[in-house]
Amino acid sequence: GQQVMQIPQYQHVQEGEDFTTYCNSSTTLSNIQWYKQRPGGHPVFLIQLVKSGEVKKQKRLTFQFGEAKKNSSLHITATQTTDVGTYFCARAGANNLFFGTGTRLTVIP
Amino acid sequence: ETGVTQTPRHLVMGMTNKKSLKCEQHLGHNAMYWYKQSAKKPLELMFVYNFKEQTENNSVPSRFSPECPNSSHLFLHLHTLQPEDSALYLCASSQDGGYGYTFGSGTRLTVV
Repeated sequence: GQQVMQIPQYQHVQEGEDFTTYCNSSTTLSNIQWYKQRPGGHPVFLIQLVKSGEVKKQKRLTFQFGEAKKNSSLHITATQTTDVGTYFCARAGANNLFFGTGTRLTVIP
Repeated sequence: ETGVTQTPRHLVMGMTNKKSLKCEQHLGHNAMYWYKQSAKKPLELMFVYNFKEQTENNSVPSRFSPECPNSSHLFLHLHTLQPEDSALYLCASSQDGGYGYTFGSGTRLTVV
């Protein structure tokens, strides 16, 4: 199908621990985008990955695109309470984005 | 402010009411979208407009009727909704359907 699958669905971590969410597709992706949605908020674009094996960093966030361009991951180092929210990956269609199921992150102070 | 403004922020309507959701983008983008976000479900694409032309209708019931009078404005007209239509309705815009969608803050709709 067009949807990308994300795991885990939920993750609770102690503040300071690391966190990783994974995005998987059965088909090759032209690109993958990542979004963050805070509780009560709206999705906010974080980054786009295009190249096979690409790795991009934004402060404590590391984004990877698999060599086969069928999977991606978002890793947060030393989580903070401001990291709480749901993280979505999204695959680009011809005219639109299809969002993954999301991973809801809770950070325990 | 994200550059995409949605009104109202909250809406409660009866099943026999008619209401409209409004979205306006100030980013100069040429594509606009309506998404539905329900509890425990992924973001569901409803409609896509490119250069004011509807390019996708993702099997949405006819009780939802979109309107795009120009590339900056998008409406979602609602009538005879069902309680299961209660959700967060998000508008988004992008340039050429590509890099990074910008979402509005959404309209939280409750159908009673």
